[in-house]
Amino acid sequence: QQPVQSPQAVILREGEDAVINCSSSKALYSVHWYRQKHGEAPVFLMILLKGGEQKGHDKISASFNEKKQQSSLYLTASQLSYSGTYFCGTVISYNQGGKLIFGQGTELSVKP
Amino acid sequence: NAGVTQTPKFQVLKTGQSMTLQCAQDMNHEYMSWYRQDPGMGLRLIHYSVGAGITDQGEVPNGYNVSRSTTEDFPLRLLSAAPSQTSVYFCASSYSWGGPGNEQFFGPGTRLTVL
Repeated sequence: QQPVQSPQAVILREGEDAVINCSSSKALYSVHWYRQKHGEAPVFLMILLKGGEQKGHDKISASFNEKKQQSSLYLTASQLSYSGTYFCGTVISYNQGGKLIFGQGTELSVKP
Repeated sequence: NAGVTQTPKFQVLKTGQSMTLQCAQDMNHEYMSWYRQDPGMGLRLIHYSVGAGITDQGEVPNGYNVSRSTTEDFPLRLLSAAPSQTSVYFCASSYSWGGPGNEQFFGPGTRLTVL
């Protein structure tokens, strides 16, 4: 039931772009994205509901393809502050609201 | 407004001991969850609650008990600690579920070592 993230790790230079993918074997109600810096708690980025919407947060945006049960997180013109581990979390139905299952994470390192 | 608080920050137990990890929030959130985080495994859901008096199991509930007698508190009990329970434990809460803006707020975590 745990969603699968890819890649597991990525190294970027400042200004480069990256895409992190999140796939589920089950139909999804919503996808949630969080970022965690080393030694800290995860911090919320955005929620996407089924319907194929795309959301943005500064230079970080995401899409949700409910037919493929996939979501992608796009980081454009990366900054040093983007470094951290990114997690997608999934809810498979509204009746299971509250049951947020996370993927294994993608470690992103942005170098100067 | 303290947000989500967890105590203790660090704990060392011996195998077979029991203890309770405390979690409290002052945001009047209905939804609360417990996760454990191990290297390479991401955040795994242990138990969650959709309101006072209502709890349910997550992905890895064995060896843990929860109860939710008030909206504010959601303690996690380890009945008989095992080395496999060595992990970082996060508590999280959210106001509602599913819609835009219903983000989870995480506590600072408890680092537990079982010898």
